[in-house]
Amino acid sequence: NAGVTQTPKFQVLKTGQSMTLQCAQDMNHEYMSWYRQDPGMGLRLIHYSVGAGITDQGEVPNGYNVSRSTTEDFPLRLLSAAPSQTSVYFCASSYIARDTQYFGPGTRLTVL
Amino acid sequence: RKEVEQDPGPFNVPEGATVAFNCTYSNSASQSFFWYRQDCRKEPKLLMSVYSSGNEDGRFTAQLNRASQYISLLIRDSKLSDSATYLCVVNQAGTALIFGKGTTLSVSS
Repeated sequence: NAGVTQTPKFQVLKTGQSMTLQCAQDMNHEYMSWYRQDPGMGLRLIHYSVGAGITDQGEVPNGYNVSRSTTEDFPLRLLSAAPSQTSVYFCASSYIARDTQYFGPGTRLTVL
Repeated sequence: RKEVEQDPGPFNVPEGATVAFNCTYSNSASQSFFWYRQDCRKEPKLLMSVYSSGNEDGRFTAQLNRASQYISLLIRDSKLSDSATYLCVVNQAGTALIFGKGTTLSVSS
């Protein structure tokens, strides 16, 4: 049982490049979410999904897209990377939104 | 007013000390409350849920005061391994969980 997995672990991008951060869970959780964590800012919600085919914006959605075609996967797309998107990105899942969240190990992204 | 507020610390305590962290939340309709622990450069992990009647897990005690919109975490007999950042987490209106910025604890020998 892998839990929540994220790839890649580290990534360096140049300004303007696009990329997709992958997130997958094998616990049959309906709820999945993406957070970014910056020093002094805590965890901030980017996007979330309450089930396949349903996504919604969180606190800081600008510059990011998501889709949820299966229960297991919830990729996060950076459309045109900016230095302000340098951060640690965590994916999380749970059975329902207000339940215990299980986090992936994170992706450390640097945008030059 | 921020939705979930915590004293960032750091709290520097010797081994064996008792330390308490506090957290306040702004949404009176919040339904679920948690304490998470985050080690340096790692993902957050659930430490314990917080129930209205208060609950205890070994050396850790969590309390909730709905009237004051206040959550606390008490750690007794601190260990070196308790050094971490402790995140107060509150459910917002049945959808997303909102995380506080965390309180840093450093336990020294």
